[in-house]
Amino acid sequence: GAVVSQHPSWVICKSGTSVKIECRSLDFQATTMFWYRQFPKQSLMLMATSNEGSKATYEQGVEKDKFLINHASLTLSTLTVTSAHPEDSSFYICSASPDSTQETQYFGPGTRLLVL
Amino acid sequence: TQLLEQSPQFLSIQEGENLTVYCNSSSVFSSLQWYRQEPGEGPVLLVTVVTGGEVKKLKRLTFQFGDARKDSSLHITAAQPGDTGLYLCAGGLSQFYFGTGTSLTVIP
Repeated sequence: GAVVSQHPSWVICKSGTSVKIECRSLDFQATTMFWYRQFPKQSLMLMATSNEGSKATYEQGVEKDKFLINHASLTLSTLTVTSAHPEDSSFYICSASPDSTQETQYFGPGTRLLVL
Repeated sequence: TQLLEQSPQFLSIQEGENLTVYCNSSSVFSSLQWYRQEPGEGPVLLVTVVTGGEVKKLKRLTFQFGDARKDSSLHITAAQPGDTGLYLCAGGLSQFYFGTGTSLTVIP
């Protein structure tokens, strides 16, 4: 149990375009989902916390207008990278928690984004 | 300054060798978790340690939580290429923190 999926697993896009990444909890309801960014061989950096039906809470330094998060249901959250630039190229990982805590979070497999 | 410092940051060893990864903090944690992340995948929880001085074993992996609950270690015996990956410790205080990470490569 506790499976989280992400789609797409990788995406290549042109600079200036927008990219949407989906995060789904397949076998449980996720009160809270977390979005992380990760550079090669480095730790996870929390970008934002999203709760179903409410606005996401963004970490300091993360532009909310650039990284749009929507948590429309208890099983789906989306991250849209708007007007992507090459510096947005990274590995984006979501996690889902049934009880709103990061101590109980299940990670998705990640999405590799390459902006040309 | 990172709240959870891991050492070493990078480690490359031969198959069959033993290794220890450390996770240190100046803060007291109620619990610490260890994750392993393989390249191109999300992190997978290996263990949660809760009690100071606790030792947990997972096959060839031994996890220890410091008596003061400020540090933890992960020891791998007879490392195998399948152990290759990024190891992360993590714990919650007023917020949740991930360690700085240890990238392990086991050479066949």
